[in-house]
Amino acid sequence: QKEVEQDPGPLSVPEGAIVSLNCTYSNSAFQYFMWYRQYSRKGPELLMYTYSSGNKEDGRFTAQVDKSSKYISLFIRDSQPSDSATYLCAMSLTTSGTYKYIFGTGTRLKVLA
Amino acid sequence: GAVVSQHPSWVICKSGTSVKIECRSLDFQATTMFWYRQFPKQSLMLMATSNEGSKATYEQGVEKDKFLINHASLTLSTLTVTSAHPEDSSFYICSARDLYEGFSYEQYFGPGTRLTVT
Repeated sequence: QKEVEQDPGPLSVPEGAIVSLNCTYSNSAFQYFMWYRQYSRKGPELLMYTYSSGNKEDGRFTAQVDKSSKYISLFIRDSQPSDSATYLCAMSLTTSGTYKYIFGTGTRLKVLA
Repeated sequence: GAVVSQHPSWVICKSGTSVKIECRSLDFQATTMFWYRQFPKQSLMLMATSNEGSKATYEQGVEKDKFLINHASLTLSTLTVTSAHPEDSSFYICSARDLYEGFSYEQYFGPGTRLTVT
């Protein structure tokens, strides 16, 4: 079983739709939860991060973490064609001086104008 | 914000030659840099973790003699692909952690280097 599971998509939605992207994980020791956006042939850029269960909002983006279910989500409201990209979830932990950072496989999103 | 650069952004080389890719943190010091490889439509695969002044730690299955990593300063790490073959063609991305960053979540990513081996 992979430590982090993410549906690769592709996911196509009409402009203005609410997008829900999800990841599940198996290691309850993960401390930080991140969402990255990656455009084609570019490096990932950090969108959101959180370290506690609950919701965190930033503009059109909301990150949700449910540690009891080991499930994280990213919601995009009023989606735009410019949101078309691959979205990667990532999780990290630091234990006994060891730093571990795991990415999901990424979900390709296409927002249709 | 923290900026990480990579050079070159795109390189084509012949099979059997070596290629060096540079990763620089431009406005912060990075004790740790990471090297990832990404194949088309796949996620980032961590190749190695590079710590300034010490040997890199390679992930299982990554040949350390083929992918030479040097982290000589707090702002520069290099990845050399030795005796490159067509199967090494990929998108190589580095990331860096800020020396003074108190949280374990943040990595700053470079724009990536596309390597094509002919």
